[in-house]
Amino acid sequence: GESVGLHLPTLSVQEGDNSIINCAYSNSASDYFIWYKQESGKGPQFIIDIRSNMDKRQGQRVTVLLNKTVKHLSLQIAATQPGDSAVYFCAEPLRRTGANNLFFGTGTRLTVIP
Amino acid sequence: DGGITQSPKYLFRKEGQNVTLSCEQNLNHDAMYWYRQDPGQGLRLIYYSQIVNDFQKGDIAEGYSVSREKKESFPLTVTSAQKNPTAFYLCASSRLAGGPHEQYFGPGTRLTVT
Repeated sequence: GESVGLHLPTLSVQEGDNSIINCAYSNSASDYFIWYKQESGKGPQFIIDIRSNMDKRQGQRVTVLLNKTVKHLSLQIAATQPGDSAVYFCAEPLRRTGANNLFFGTGTRLTVIP
Repeated sequence: DGGITQSPKYLFRKEGQNVTLSCEQNLNHDAMYWYRQDPGQGLRLIYYSQIVNDFQKGDIAEGYSVSREKKESFPLTVTSAQKNPTAFYLCASSRLAGGPHEQYFGPGTRLTVT
């Protein structure tokens, strides 16, 4: 079955609009999720994380929502800017290794249209 | 200025040659990781290390080797046995105690083998 993955591989939004990037996970025991942003040719950059005892967490212009009932995670970006254009990954811990390993989804490419 | 560095940014090699990619961190993190990223793909784990002088294979370790002689350093050697070595290589580090934790990524090394 699908582990941490993305419903949509690409997303285009107008500058100033809000963006919503979705992620599904299959391990109901996962207790921690992270969103990363990767700009072209660069390493992933941490955006925000959320633990399973929370439903929502807000950062600067970003909000992560966690729906444990349907095992769904979303990243909302408010007032999307051209600098937000990147690939966004969600990640969850890989418990089977006993280490702090993460499993990364394929990612969603966000394109902001000026 | 704490962080994780990788060098070089671009690397070109001829087929049949081994090549070593550098990764250094000054974050005092116990764990370090190597990932491979192919175009339009997610991150695949090559090797990881939780402590000096110890490391474990990830999902795609064949054709690669690592060492962890110092806490700060985790070099990756791409050997001639790796059938498709051309890729973007990412190094990461993280804390371990009290986890799970986010991983911090370096800027990546793009390896091209012809």
